Amino acid sequence: GQNIDQPTEMTATEGAIVQINCTYQTSGFNGLFWYQQHAGEAPTFLSYNVLDGLEEKGRFSSFLSRSKGYSYLLLKELQMKDSASYLCAILDSNYQLIWGAGTKLIIKP
Amino acid sequence: SQTIHQWPATLVQPVGSPLSLECTVEGTSNPNLYWYRQAAGRGLQLLFYSVGIGQISSEVPQNLSASRPQDRQFILSSKKLLLSDSGFYLCAWSVNPENQPQHFGDGTRLSIL
Repeated sequence: GQNIDQPTEMTATEGAIVQINCTYQTSGFNGLFWYQQHAGEAPTFLSYNVLDGLEEKGRFSSFLSRSKGYSYLLLKELQMKDSASYLCAILDSNYQLIWGAGTKLIIKP
Repeated sequence: SQTIHQWPATLVQPVGSPLSLECTVEGTSNPNLYWYRQAAGRGLQLLFYSVGIGQISSEVPQNLSASRPQDRQFILSSKKLLLSDSGFYLCAWSVNPENQPQHFGDGTRLSIL
């Protein structure tokens, strides 16, 4: 079966660092995407990993370990505008995205 | 640059009424197009996808249908809405699903009364 696990909710402080984990078991793997979704809005693309390792993009970094079925999104120097849900999605063997339920990140001043 | 338009932004419909949501993409040719539904606190559920004009794949059997009358137009329809059809509907496009992200329209929040 297909299974993607993310924590439901996390809280962090403005200026700090937070790591959002995603573990998966899917039929095939052709890449992993992270999206940001503010309340009431559409998801927006953050990062894509297909090989093991860390991809850095400004304040956001994403890590992938295919052998462990594990990824994380690292957000540095948190800002209030980073309050949003973060969605992990796996590109399966048919090149369709399988979506996690998302992690709601709450930033406190 | 590519843009995607989805309308309406919100819609309130009675049970049993028909539905038509439209999505158009500009600035690209022959995109892959997708319709998703997102229930509160849940992941995105793929409803339909299309790789070309008139080519529709359905992922979940249900009360909805989709059509692609033109290369950059994707329509989600229903003849009779159910209460369970309420949700946030999202249209998305991708130029290459093998390694390129999907990009989403602003979504339609559908409430069934």
